[in-house]
Amino acid sequence: GESVGLHLPTLSVQEGDNSIINCAYSNSASDYFIWYKQESGKGPQFIIDIRSNMDKRQGQRVTVLLNKTVKHLSLQIAATQPGDSAVYFCAETPLNHGNNRLAFGKGNQVVVIP
Amino acid sequence: DTEVTQTPKHLVMGMTNKKSLKCEQHMGHRAMYWYKQKAKKPPELMFVYSYEKLSINESVPSRFSPECPNSSLLNLHLHALQPEDSALYLCASSQDPDRTSGPYEQYFGPGTRLTVT
Repeated sequence: GESVGLHLPTLSVQEGDNSIINCAYSNSASDYFIWYKQESGKGPQFIIDIRSNMDKRQGQRVTVLLNKTVKHLSLQIAATQPGDSAVYFCAETPLNHGNNRLAFGKGNQVVVIP
Repeated sequence: DTEVTQTPKHLVMGMTNKKSLKCEQHMGHRAMYWYKQKAKKPPELMFVYSYEKLSINESVPSRFSPECPNSSLLNLHLHALQPEDSALYLCASSQDPDRTSGPYEQYFGPGTRLTVT
């Protein structure tokens, strides 16, 4: 059954502020990374990806930073909006693994305070 | 069309029932996936189909039986499930199963919320 009292790490952020969500990965062979957003009752939605030959990539209001030295990935959301409230998962996959087998991180809950 | 559809949205079944989950995509993707997700947990990979052939089975119990009738459809047949199998079942697809031309993201459907009583 479910663990009683299981909580996701939660980031509470004021509307309009910037959010930073962090993710540590363990597989040094991983070379492709994705951030997904999952709203309540929905499937994960692709936000942004980055390959290991880059250390930064920008999208619309989002930036992903990759530090391969310390195996750390972060997602920055600019001017956070109520619609950004969701659980955010990082996922990684090694290039030579084939079949796009993704390993998901534990997830971070973002709560936007209006 | 960048959508993966799943039916039904919700399913309640008894432990002796047989039911099927369905997934469909029309993006021309040749890799399709089944994931299981428990509350407040990340998705867990169950099966991968590559060019309509089963390429990965993550040691899933035989009461879950996947099927890929064609490149657009993916089914998950359920039989004699247990209450602990209650979860959100997600289907996903991606463009290049072999990643020969670069990694591609997986597109997820909305999921089927399964409750086993």
